[in-house]
Amino acid sequence: DTAVSQTPKYLVTQMGNDKSIKCEQNLGHDTMYWYKQDSKKFLKIMFSYNNKELIINETVPNRFSPKSPDKAHLNLHINSLELGDSAVYFCASSQAGHLYEQYFGPGTRLTVT
Amino acid sequence: AQSVTQLDSQVPVFEEAPVELRCNYSSSVSVYLFWYVQYPNQGLQLLLKYLSGSTLVKGINGFEAEFNKSQTSFHLRKPSVHISDTAEYFCAVSESRSGGGADGLTFGKGTHLIIQP
Repeated sequence: DTAVSQTPKYLVTQMGNDKSIKCEQNLGHDTMYWYKQDSKKFLKIMFSYNNKELIINETVPNRFSPKSPDKAHLNLHINSLELGDSAVYFCASSQAGHLYEQYFGPGTRLTVT
Repeated sequence: AQSVTQLDSQVPVFEEAPVELRCNYSSSVSVYLFWYVQYPNQGLQLLLKYLSGSTLVKGINGFEAEFNKSQTSFHLRKPSVHISDTAEYFCAVSESRSGGGADGLTFGKGTHLIIQP
């Protein structure tokens, strides 16, 4: 059983397009996150959702919008894709509070051409 | 604001030799510390974590780390490495605050561990 899953695994698209990445967790966690890993493998938090409420929104362009239909899902919508958006995007989940381990999905490699 | 520094971007080690991957952090409050491993083309897996208590923590795959508050360090060690340990290792920190809430992790830039036969 996959704890945190993401679809698609690979996404190749052209500049200006709008795309979505889906994330689902079956761990019963109440907090989910999106991280971006750049070409130098640097990981940075983008968003987190706790009980459908946005908790963290780092300095991320408003072209990126997280959508959480329920506690088990946190999708990432990206509008007007740019070359600089090319990266690996990881979804993660945890129980509320930083005491708990974050479980990561396998990642989605986004390539914008 | 918290930050994490991993001093070595790449560490080559011969198989069966010991290894230490260095991690230093900066924070104005108490922190929780983590080491994650990323195998090629995979997600991140937790190796170990320090929350409180004993400063020496043991993790999976024979790894351990020691929390040193005075030196603000959390170095990762393994006494004898294997080819399968070749991966990217990330140190991460989460600040301790009252009131709960959800916090993302702040990661270091990673250390690529290369095991040579």
